[in-house]
Amino acid sequence: DAGITQSPRHKVTETGTPVTLRCHQTENHRYMYWYRQDPGHGLRLIHYSYGVKDTDKGEVSDGYSVSRSKTEDFLLTLESATSSQTSVYFCAISGGLAGTDTQYFGPGTRLTVL
Amino acid sequence: TQLLEQSPQFLSIQEGENLTVYCNSSSVFSSLQWYRQEPGEGPVLLVTVVTGGEVKKLKRLTFQFGDARKDSSLHITAAQPGDTGLYLCAPRPVGSQGNLIFGKGTKLSVKP
Repeated sequence: DAGITQSPRHKVTETGTPVTLRCHQTENHRYMYWYRQDPGHGLRLIHYSYGVKDTDKGEVSDGYSVSRSKTEDFLLTLESATSSQTSVYFCAISGGLAGTDTQYFGPGTRLTVL
Repeated sequence: TQLLEQSPQFLSIQEGENLTVYCNSSSVFSSLQWYRQEPGEGPVLLVTVVTGGEVKKLKRLTFQFGDARKDSSLHITAAQPGDTGLYLCAPRPVGSQGNLIFGKGTKLSVKP
């Protein structure tokens, strides 16, 4: 198994509070991704990173920001959580070879915004 | 916006039956991956197909990439309870930055 951990694994928070989710990898992979998974929508890309301090938006980036200050850590921040951000969040990593590279997923973080 | 459809959405079968799930789009893809996700876990890669018409086998699972690289199918022979899970197709659009798009998945339940 690829070395990917996510923390916390579960979180309940209130509307309007800031929340930061952490993804940590020990594989030295270049690319890191944050997805959210919701019933009826599947996996949707929020933000991704193609190197330290290099990030870009995905399909559903509104309300989210990310940071990558070192290769192994990719942080996802909800500045002011809303109920619509209740979801399961997955981090993934890949080696970055275009066309066929595998994405390895973390175990997920279940976030509930009340 | 890419339109990607997976069918069926849900499938409940008995152990020993065969099944096929589909991933369809009107767009051409440079490659396509299939992942399986078990409850409470992240998706895990099963296979990558790259060439139009390509067929790959993984034990009882057969994956096919359409000739025009717009669609794919996954066939399972003699399904077992351990095959239960969410099957996701993830194509990579031609000319994209390299990111995958994920279908909504087919939720398979195999009853003993």
